[in-house]
Amino acid sequence: NAGVMQNPRHLVRRRGQEARLRCSPMKGHSHVYWYRQLPEEGLKFMVYLQKENIIDESGMPKERFSAEFPKEGPSILRIQQVVRGDSAAYFCASSPPTSRVPHGYTFGSGTRLTVV
Amino acid sequence: AQTVTQSQPEMSVQEAETVTLSCTYDTSESDYYLFWYKQPPSRQMILVIRQEAYKQQNATENRFSVNFQKAAKSFSLKISDSQLGDAAMYFCAYRSGNGGYNKLIFGAGTRLAVHP
Repeated sequence: NAGVMQNPRHLVRRRGQEARLRCSPMKGHSHVYWYRQLPEEGLKFMVYLQKENIIDESGMPKERFSAEFPKEGPSILRIQQVVRGDSAAYFCASSPPTSRVPHGYTFGSGTRLTVV
Repeated sequence: AQTVTQSQPEMSVQEAETVTLSCTYDTSESDYYLFWYKQPPSRQMILVIRQEAYKQQNATENRFSVNFQKAAKSFSLKISDSQLGDAAMYFCAYRSGNGGYNKLIFGAGTRLAVHP
């Protein structure tokens, strides 16, 4: 039973390019969360999605960032026109579709984005 | 808004000794969950221990235990018989218990070094 799968593990983009980060949740999990970790900082919440729905995007930057979780396939975090400040580790977590989940979700290994 | 504070950027411990990592949080809610995550150099986020706020008994997982002081809003992690493999970043996290899909709020982390 594979855990949360994120790819690529490392991604290098030049300023102005687009970055696409993928997350496949654990089997049976229909809730996906994206977090960003800047160097030497804790994880910051970005967005929470269910299949075909964005539930909470209060942590997403207003511009250039978008996320989706289609009916089929992985969740995608998309960053357009990347800038150096977007360099960070991006983590995906998933949880099952129960309202009261006492555990802290299951995290993927993250994608380290480097903008050069 | 809830906040989580880890006041110790770095800690060190001798192998086989005991170390305590501090965490305080601020919330007006009565129902919530608290977590400690370990992040080794591999970047994987590993759940170490969790505590439900309604439980008075402190959680314990093998060599890891917490001191949960609800009135003081304190949630420290004690690592007994420290091992070299315990060296990592440790993050304290808070999750609201109201509603279903609440996000995790992380502290800035404590880097733990274990010396042989």
